[in-house]
Amino acid sequence: QLQLRESGPGLVKPSETLSLTCTVSGGSINTNEFYWGWIRRPPGGGLEWIGSVYFTGGTYSHPSLKSRVSISIDTSENQFSLTLTSVTAADTAVYYCARETAMMISGIKYWGQGTLVTVSS
Amino acid sequence: QSILTQPPSVSAAPGQKVSISCSGSSSNIGSSLVSWYQFVPGTAPKLLIYANNERPSGIPDRFSGSKSGTSATLGITGLQTGDEADYFCGTHDRSLNAEVFGGGTKLTVL
Repeated sequence: QLQLRESGPGLVKPSETLSLTCTVSGGSINTNEFYWGWIRRPPGGGLEWIGSVYFTGGTYSHPSLKSRVSISIDTSENQFSLTLTSVTAADTAVYYCARETAMMISGIKYWGQGTLVTVSS
Repeated sequence: QSILTQPPSVSAAPGQKVSISCSGSSSNIGSSLVSWYQFVPGTAPKLLIYANNERPSGIPDRFSGSKSGTSATLGITGLQTGDEADYFCGTHDRSLNAEVFGGGTKLTVL
C-alpha cells in the first residue's frame, strides 16, 4: 500500500521560505505513470493545487504561485520537495503531498495526512 | 475564491440521501473529468469518485457521481454518522493548465 508522509517546519516567519518534503513508501516515485504533487488547504478555505513534479524532474505549478514555487524530486531517496518563497500569512495552510494522474483523469487516490504550516513572526 | 462552486454546507438525517453540487465552466468541468474527495480531520483525504462517476475499489455504492455540462454532483444515499466530513470536487482547468478544486461542502448528518 502506497504511503506518503509530509515533513518540515510547522512555523515559518513572514518573508522567509517554506520547505517541505514528502517521503513515499510502498512504491517507487521513479515511474512514468504518475505525477507527484502538492495541494494546500487554508484554515476555513477550499483546496488549492500548488503544483507537481514528474519523475524526469519536469514541473508544473499553479499560475498564481508560479513565481514563488519550486518543486523537486529525488528518486534515489523516493522523496519530492516543495519550496515556497516570500511567504505571508495567506500561505498558512495544511499542506498535502499526493500522487496525481495527468489532468486528474483518475483522480488523486493517495494523499499524505497533511502538515499544518503557520506563517507568523 | 475557488474556481469551482460548492454549497458551504448540506445536512440530512441518517438513512436519507443528499446531493452536493459542483459548478464550473467550459474550461474545467465542461471539458475535463471530475473527481470527489472526502476530508475527515486527522485522516488522509479519500478519493470517492473519479472520471465523473467511477468508484475506486473499496468505496461503497452509496456514493455516486454524475456530470452534466459544466456541473457535477456527488450523491450519497443511506447516510451514516460516519459520513460527516468535508467534501471537495476537483478537475483540470484547460485555460489555467492547472488542477482546480471547489471550496468544499460540510456534510452534517443530523
